[in-house]
Amino acid sequence: EDQVTQSPEALRLQEGESSSLNCSYTVSGLRGLFWYRQDPGKGPEFLFTLYSAGEEKEKERLKATLTKKESFLHITAPKPEDSATYLCAVQAGGSRLTFGEGTQLTVNP
Amino acid sequence: NAGVTQTPKFQVLKTGQSMTLQCAQDMNHNSMYWYRQDPGMGLRLIYYSASEGTTDKGEVPNGYNVSRLNKREFSLRLESAAPSQTSVYFCASSERTASSYEQYFGPGTRLTVT
Repeated sequence: EDQVTQSPEALRLQEGESSSLNCSYTVSGLRGLFWYRQDPGKGPEFLFTLYSAGEEKEKERLKATLTKKESFLHITAPKPEDSATYLCAVQAGGSRLTFGEGTQLTVNP
Repeated sequence: NAGVTQTPKFQVLKTGQSMTLQCAQDMNHNSMYWYRQDPGMGLRLIYYSASEGTTDKGEVPNGYNVSRLNKREFSLRLESAAPSQTSVYFCASSERTASSYEQYFGPGTRLTVT
């Protein structure tokens, strides 16, 4: 059974204070690892797909990395508008995704 | 493009009532999905449709039925609502890229069953 565990559950940062979110996974035959952003009262918004260990992708202040057991979402010099819940998901066979419970990030000005 | 749209945005039902949640996508995607999101449980797959004319059960299908009306539309029906079905429901769609499926989500339907 595919499993995804995200940590921490919640993270509070000061504006400009860089940090990382973790996504640990157990899956048989990873085809893709996905990061999403979810704002309160809205649907998840797609950020990145990572396919193989060693891969990195960047978007503005966010950088996602992937190893054989986990993925990190690094946030550099965050701003209050980066406050959201960040979700990680994995895809093994077929088109189904397994999601983690998310990390709720709050960035204080 | 509107992406994925869902109706209604909010709904309150009494136990035993029925309703249908509607979902439509304008991205010409083949695959569509229904999830529910509950505090502490994350997103859980209810049903999905890999292509027009097919539907399959996900992780939590009991108490729900689905219809893939055409390539654009995928509806979720609650035949006899129960308080345990109080949740936020998301529809998503995807198209296979060279390697994987990136799913795009609608804004959600917030359902309360009393």
